[in-house]
Amino acid sequence: NAGVTQTPKFQVLKTGQSMTLQCAQDMNHEYMSWYRQDPGMGLRLIHYSVGAGITDQGEVPNGYNVSRSTTEDFPLRLLSAAPSQTSVYFCASSYLRAGATDTQYFGPGTRLTVL
Amino acid sequence: DQQVKQNSPSLSVQEGRISILNCDYTNSMFDYFLWYKKYPAEGPTFLISISSIKDKNEDGRFTVFLNKSAKHLSLHIVPSQPGDSAVYFCAASAGAGGTSYGKLTFGQGTILTVHP
Repeated sequence: NAGVTQTPKFQVLKTGQSMTLQCAQDMNHEYMSWYRQDPGMGLRLIHYSVGAGITDQGEVPNGYNVSRSTTEDFPLRLLSAAPSQTSVYFCASSYLRAGATDTQYFGPGTRLTVL
Repeated sequence: DQQVKQNSPSLSVQEGRISILNCDYTNSMFDYFLWYKKYPAEGPTFLISISSIKDKNEDGRFTVFLNKSAKHLSLHIVPSQPGDSAVYFCAASAGAGGTSYGKLTFGQGTILTVHP
């Protein structure tokens, strides 16, 4: 049981380049989400998904796309990277229960630098 | 608009003493609160949580207190150990509302340093 895995661990991009941050979980969790962590800002929700084929925007969605074709995978796409997207990105997953919140489990993070 | 605030960026305590980390929130729809601990170069890990129907939850050395009227919660660590040195995030959710689907709103984090 690997939990939540993220690749790559580190990435440097030039402005305008595109890339996909990978996230996978093996706990059969319905709920998956992406956060970014910036100094003094805590973790802010980018996008989330409540199941395969269902995604929605979080607090800071601009510049990012997501899709959820399987329960296990939830990739985050940067279509045209900007220096403002330099951050540490965390993927998280949890079970989903109506009217309740379950503990979210986080991956180890991807540190992205956009030059 | 920061709905969850941790106003102390850092806290330094001596080993064996009590650490108290504070968190304030503004959204009255929040009904579930969590604390996460984060070491450098790792993802946050769940520490303890509390539902709004309670005012206290205890797990070993960790206790979370909730004061709904003041919209304030605190995490007490007794006794503090050097291994507790980490960044602590407070998070809140309006899960019972049914439509929030477990979305978490995080505070800015507090860096706890426990000195031997």
